[in-house]
Amino acid sequence: EPEVTQTPSHQVTQMGQEVILRCVPISNHLYFYWYRQILGQKVEFLVSFYNNEISEKSEIFDDQFSVERPDGSNFTLKIRSTKLEDSAMYFCASKKMDSSYEQYFGPGTRLTVT
Amino acid sequence: AQSVAQPEDQVNVAEGNPLTVKCTYSVSGNPYLFWYVQYPNRGLQFLLKYITGDNLVKGSYGFEAEFNKSQTSFHLKKPSALVSDSALYFCAVRDLTGGGNKLTFGTGTQLKVEL
Repeated sequence: EPEVTQTPSHQVTQMGQEVILRCVPISNHLYFYWYRQILGQKVEFLVSFYNNEISEKSEIFDDQFSVERPDGSNFTLKIRSTKLEDSAMYFCASKKMDSSYEQYFGPGTRLTVT
Repeated sequence: AQSVAQPEDQVNVAEGNPLTVKCTYSVSGNPYLFWYVQYPNRGLQFLLKYITGDNLVKGSYGFEAEFNKSQTSFHLKKPSALVSDSALYFCAVRDLTGGGNKLTFGTGTQLKVEL
């Protein structure tokens, strides 16, 4: 069964450094998302992406964040200058089409900013 | 804004007993509701969804959920719990308010099934 994959599984970085989190969505899916989960808290929406552009972003997704689909398979989240409060589990998700409703999530990347 | 609430942080149940994990919703328009499960150090796994139709929705691993419009609830149920069902369960609602198609999650309920 096709799955969403994410790399790396754990990333440790120093405050102020740039990080890129990578995701490979399910191959025939058209809608892509990033969510994050700070330890012990609920899952929060960051950004949605369709047809090579952002369709919605949350207040969390400020100028330090960007997303890209550089080729036909990868979907990346970049944080330009990490802060301590960016430490969280970041989940990528994908959805086949607008009428399919359910999103399929990857295993997550745990980002630790020191 | 669309939202869901999970009133219980933790639910404990004995193996073999029925389980219920509660979720209530607040939406404008028709609710599109979902349950996801998260095992330790794993991503979110889709369990089931309610879009329209029968109020009792069947999903993966023997789980089902009952949509109740008058009580604005979407409780997750299973007739006979297993120890392996122990995990974190999230209720979610499709949220179109920002123009996208995001999911808004509840705070999660930790289910502990004991022998």
